[in-house]
Amino acid sequence: AQSVTQPDIHITVSEGASLELRCNYSYGATPYLFWYVQSPGQGLQLLLKYFSGDTLVQGIKGFEAEFKRSQSSFNLRKPSVHWSDAAEYFCAVGQGNSGGYQKVTFGIGTKLQVIP
Amino acid sequence: EAGVTQFPSHSVIEKGQTVTLRCDPISGHDNLYWYRRVMGKEIKFLLHFVKESKQDESGMPNNRFLAERTGGTYSTLKVQPAELEDSGVYFCASTRFGNTEAFFGQGTRLTVV
Repeated sequence: AQSVTQPDIHITVSEGASLELRCNYSYGATPYLFWYVQSPGQGLQLLLKYFSGDTLVQGIKGFEAEFKRSQSSFNLRKPSVHWSDAAEYFCAVGQGNSGGYQKVTFGIGTKLQVIP
Repeated sequence: EAGVTQFPSHSVIEKGQTVTLRCDPISGHDNLYWYRRVMGKEIKFLLHFVKESKQDESGMPNNRFLAERTGGTYSTLKVQPAELEDSGVYFCASTRFGNTEAFFGQGTRLTVV
C-alpha cells in the first residue's frame, strides 16, 4: 500500500528565509507525486507534480521539488518565503493510468507559519 | 471557467440526523472524487466516479454513507444517520478523463454534535 510521511507538522520561518518541507513516500512502482497547498478558507491548490523525466520540478509561486528515488523523497523548496506563503502544505502520492488522475494518498500536512 | 463548488461550506448537525453534501465539478470533467479529512489526520480518499458510475468506493467508511452522481454532473454525499466521528472536512475534486491534474473544491466542514 502506498503511504506518505510528512515528518514536520508545524514549521516557522522568517520572511525572506529559505524553506524546505520534507516528504517521504512508500510506493511499489514509479509514483506520481504531488504537492498541494491549502490557504485559509481556500481549497487545495496544486503547486507541482512529478510523473517522469527531470527530477527537479518547478511549480507555481516560486516553489520547486526534487524527486530522489534512492531516498524515496520529494521535498518541497522555496528560496525566499513570503508572508503569503503561510498555509498548510500536503504531499501526495498516486498511481496513474490511461485515464489520468487516480486516487491519491496524502500526507498529514505541514503548517507553515511565516514571521516578519 | 468556474471551479469545483461545494455546498454547504459549513454544516452543524446533531448526532442521528441526516446531512447531504453537494459537489459541482468543473463542466466537462468526467472524473469526480470525494475525500475526507478528520481533524488532525490525513486527507483520505472516499470514492471515485467516472461520469455516473462508481469506479472505486473502497474508501467509504460504512453503509451510513451514500454517494450519488445522477446524470454524471453534480454529486451528493449523504450521511445517514450521522455520528460524532463523521465530523471533518469533506473535499470534492474533479478531472478531465486522461488529465492528471485534479481541481479541488473548498471543502465542506461537517460538525456532528
